[in-house]
Amino acid sequence: AQRVTQPEKLLSVFKGAPVELKCNYSYSGSPELFWYVQYSRQRLQLLLRHISRESIKGFTADLNKGETSFHLKKPFAQEEDSAMYYCALKWGANTGNQFYFGTGTSLTVIP
Amino acid sequence: GAGVSQSPRYKVAKRGQDVALRCDPISGHVSLFWYQQALGQGPEFLTYFQNEAQLDKSGLPSDRFFAERPEGSVSTLKIQRTQQEDSAVYLCASSRLQGSVGSPLHFGNGTRLTVT
Repeated sequence: AQRVTQPEKLLSVFKGAPVELKCNYSYSGSPELFWYVQYSRQRLQLLLRHISRESIKGFTADLNKGETSFHLKKPFAQEEDSAMYYCALKWGANTGNQFYFGTGTSLTVIP
Repeated sequence: GAGVSQSPRYKVAKRGQDVALRCDPISGHVSLFWYQQALGQGPEFLTYFQNEAQLDKSGLPSDRFFAERPEGSVSTLKIQRTQQEDSAVYLCASSRLQGSVGSPLHFGNGTRLTVT
């Protein structure tokens, strides 16, 4: 079975502090992992994907196959980072497309 | 259009009524997905289309749920005889290429369905 786990429902950090949103996955094949973000009153949108190895808005995420994790990190949180964050696993690239989402972590950055 | 468009944004239905939710994907996007998002939960997969073919409907919770995409563009999710447990936000998403590595989902704003 394919599963995505985000253990923290709520996370609060002070502005300027480091932040890490945890994501663990369970998948027997080669995973594609994504982080999606939903700001207040906006649609769900892509933040970053592991294959790009990119930094978006100061966020990075490294795929750790040994630990089956894809944690999202930012060294210095900003108030505008307050949002709902979802980790997503894509599988079945050759036979179809399925995206499984975690239950989300609500991040609040305290001024 | 520039993004995925869903209508209506809000729908209130009395228990037992049928509803139809519309999704207009990004032009040229091959893949189309429907998700159900209950309060406080992440999006739960319902069904997936590649062009007009419904390749996976394993997430549809019951035979009261039906989706179609007859011309490979606009899709409709229909819920018959709505129940209170159907209350949720229904998200539509499209993706540019089937199976391509790194091809992400582009979401609509969703339709919030409330069954009273």
